Amino acid sequence: NAGVMQNPRHLVRRRGQEARLRCSPMKGHSHVYWYRQLPEEGLKFMVYLQKENIIDESGMPKERFSAEFPKEGPSILRIQQVVRGDSAAYFCASSPAGGNYGYTFGSGTRLTVV
Amino acid sequence: GQQVMQIPQYQHVQEGEDFTTYCNSSTTLSNIQWYKQRPGGHPVFLIQLVKSGEVKKQKRLTFQFGEAKKNSSLHITATQTTDVGTYFCAGGSSNTGKLIFGQGTTLQVKP
Repeated sequence: NAGVMQNPRHLVRRRGQEARLRCSPMKGHSHVYWYRQLPEEGLKFMVYLQKENIIDESGMPKERFSAEFPKEGPSILRIQQVVRGDSAAYFCASSPAGGNYGYTFGSGTRLTVV
Repeated sequence: GQQVMQIPQYQHVQEGEDFTTYCNSSTTLSNIQWYKQRPGGHPVFLIQLVKSGEVKKQKRLTFQFGEAKKNSSLHITATQTTDVGTYFCAGGSSNTGKLIFGQGTTLQVKP
């Protein structure tokens, strides 16, 4: 019974490159959430998705960031033209339904922009 | 928008002492959840509280949800070194379907 799978665990990108972060939710979970965590800080909500739908993207920066959760395959968080300030841990979580259920988090992707 | 504040940010205790972290929301919540994150790890779900005034216990951990459903606390009795980590509260709203996390309280336990 695999949990939430995120890959890669670590990602290094040069400024200006693209970063693609993948998240496969737990089996039976159809709701996916992405959070960003800076060192010594809390979890900042980015986006909430269901299959083929973005439910809430109020935490996503207006430019360079996008997310999708296609009918088949993992959810993807895409960051274009990365800058140093994008360096952070990005966590994906899933739940069987909206926010009244506990989240299962993946191990995160640690993005470093050099 | 909805905000969730958590205090203190850091707490250092001697092993065997008690520990409490407090959480306050700017809006009424449908539920409050608590998570623990070990250093270098990911958040792990501990518990969910739904009812006004609810109290739940897990061994040495006691969780409370305020009467107005806007605040919560986590109390650990007789801390152990295995309790080290950051404890996050997260507020759920039936309107939004997402969780808003507090900033976390990082607990250090001296053996």
